[in-house]
Amino acid sequence: GQQLNQSPQSMFIQEGEDVSMNCTSSSIFNTWLWYKQDPGEGPVLLIALYKAGELTSNGRLTAQFGITRKDSFLNISASIPSDVGIYFCAGQMSGGSYIPTFGRGTSLIVHP
Amino acid sequence: GAVVSQHPSRVICKSGTSVKIECRSLDFQATTMFWYRQFPKQSLMLMATSNEGSKATYEQGVEKDKFLINHASLTLSTLTVTSAHPEDSSFYICSAPAVEGRRAFFGQGTRLTVV
Repeated sequence: GQQLNQSPQSMFIQEGEDVSMNCTSSSIFNTWLWYKQDPGEGPVLLIALYKAGELTSNGRLTAQFGITRKDSFLNISASIPSDVGIYFCAGQMSGGSYIPTFGRGTSLIVHP
Repeated sequence: GAVVSQHPSRVICKSGTSVKIECRSLDFQATTMFWYRQFPKQSLMLMATSNEGSKATYEQGVEKDKFLINHASLTLSTLTVTSAHPEDSSFYICSAPAVEGRRAFFGQGTRLTVV
């Protein structure tokens, strides 16, 4: 199936640093979703974006829906050890079965 | 947010046996549920879309006779891995769309190990 281009693939950072990751697609999406997955668990929804240009925050997380509707980014400020995990973006079209297309994930490791 | 419960979280079975995985939407109704497979350090790959009251829709390359899906009610979908083999060992995750389908919520996942 179709995949989004998510980068970076992995990040190794120090506690307290800010993190930025993004997703790009050749297709236009009406919804962008950002998930975090801990080892052995299912993905947990972090932020949902429904409108081009939308900027939404959830605590230390901020995500934006790109103006072109083909990209989105997620920022994490002042990272902490519990931010460790794999972050997935997902693009979704409306008007159908709302099946999200997932990026390949960004693995985040935070060193104390 | 909406809650999707998946059971069991881990299962070990012998080669040749069948394993059933349940996915329940706990506080909302889901006419559609999705089943994914995830290999280590990989993204989620959609296997099939489960439709309440009708046949499931399988993605290309997924054997429908191997992975039986039953969406018996508005809150329950099951995935049965039939005649499991070691290569079927993987992490299986279900999800259900809520809030008018604009957001997908995931179950906890099932780690299947076939020995």
